[in-house]
Amino acid sequence: NAGVTQTPKFQVLKTGQSMTLQCAQDMNHNSMYWYRQDPGMGLRLIYYSASEGTTDKGEVPNGYNVSRLNKREFSLRLESAAPSQTSVYFCASRTSAGETQYFGPGTRLLVL
Amino acid sequence: AQSVTQLDSQVPVFEEAPVELRCNYSSSVSVYLFWYVQYPNQGLQLLLKYLSGSTLVKGINGFEAEFNKSQTSFHLRKPSVHISDTAEYFCAVGGTGGGNKLTFGTGTQLKVEL
Repeated sequence: NAGVTQTPKFQVLKTGQSMTLQCAQDMNHNSMYWYRQDPGMGLRLIYYSASEGTTDKGEVPNGYNVSRLNKREFSLRLESAAPSQTSVYFCASRTSAGETQYFGPGTRLLVL
Repeated sequence: AQSVTQLDSQVPVFEEAPVELRCNYSSSVSVYLFWYVQYPNQGLQLLLKYLSGSTLVKGINGFEAEFNKSQTSFHLRKPSVHISDTAEYFCAVGGTGGGNKLTFGTGTQLKVEL
């Protein structure tokens, strides 16, 4: 099992460009999550999908959109990137409440 | 609503000394509590979790944590740290419902020195 995979690992964008971060899990988990990590702020939830076919906003959803393509895949899209979106983005998945949330290796994004 | 406070942003400690990383939470419902560790340039991995039952929870790498409901705390401890424990540690709280979301603290950087 690969666990949670994310692509790309690194990305540099110019302000106004768009991109999609990909996430896939092979653990048959129901719930998937997107976080951003910034120094001194811990992990903040951007969007989540409690189950296939549903998505909901987290703490910091502005400037992002998501798609739960199927049970395995959950993508995060930046329509018009801004320097404030420079961050490390983590995808995670879990089966249900109380269960371990498994994290991907992260995508490091720099917006110039 | 739920929240997590990690009071110490950085904790320096000498190798083989004991360490405690503090975590306090607030929640209006029963909670699940987690400690995750993040090594440089990596994702987060689970150290230990409290779901119910015994309030003393043992995890990987010799870490343990104690759930204290009256003080709403879940402090992480290790009796003797190693250089390889240098990492960032995150406390998280979750509950049932609402997408089973986790709320993370801001993290504590543990730096183990010789």
